[in-house]
Amino acid sequence: DIQMTQSPSSLSASVGDRVTITCRASQSISRYLNWYQQKPGKAPDLLIYAASNLQSGVPSRFSGSGSGTVFTLTINSLHPEDFATYYCQQSYNRPRTFGHGTKVEIK
Amino acid sequence: QVQLQQWGAGVLKPSETLSLTCAVYGESFSAYIWNWIRQTPGKGLEWIGDINHSGSTNYSPSLESRVTISVDTSKNQLSLSLKSVTAADTAVYYCARMNGGWQRFDYWGQGSLVTVSS
Repeated sequence: DIQMTQSPSSLSASVGDRVTITCRASQSISRYLNWYQQKPGKAPDLLIYAASNLQSGVPSRFSGSGSGTVFTLTINSLHPEDFATYYCQQSYNRPRTFGHGTKVEIK
Repeated sequence: QVQLQQWGAGVLKPSETLSLTCAVYGESFSAYIWNWIRQTPGKGLEWIGDINHSGSTNYSPSLESRVTISVDTSKNQLSLSLKSVTAADTAVYYCARMNGGWQRFDYWGQGSLVTVSS
């Protein structure tokens, strides 16, 4: 199985801050990397697919980059509704695997 | 508007069989691959398996011996069966649509909390 490692596991930030989350795959996954946002009691929502493609309806302050084994999710100018947990997920092969999440909390 | 609505028993005893169903509304069932994913505080998000409209399945190796995913295309529904459950199977279970060549999960059900307790 491909292991997905996210860092940090949590972070504190203020409204307006720029936040970067890193995801590392245990082997090359090309650009088969997706990012999700999850709020308490809700299902994950797709933010970014194929490493850098913004899902329809997702604000442009979210962006993704990377290929191979290292990927980043960046949130420019954090909004109050962005405080949530973020997950990366590889779709390169089965079994599909997820990172353990990064919780973005209010400072 | 695509909607996935899921239901099933919420409390089970050890050794029983978990059964969940997910109905898909507002989209062609046959054009996508449909998945089950679960989430626990300890292990996080775990992919269980997927199925296409013709019933071809793929399962996680860690669950393959106990899991069955099936479809009823006449009702646009998929189902999950997990036998011989233990406390470790306590989780929120989601159905999700896998879309496109990049195979992202773009629509999810609302989640079903399943608790296994004696």
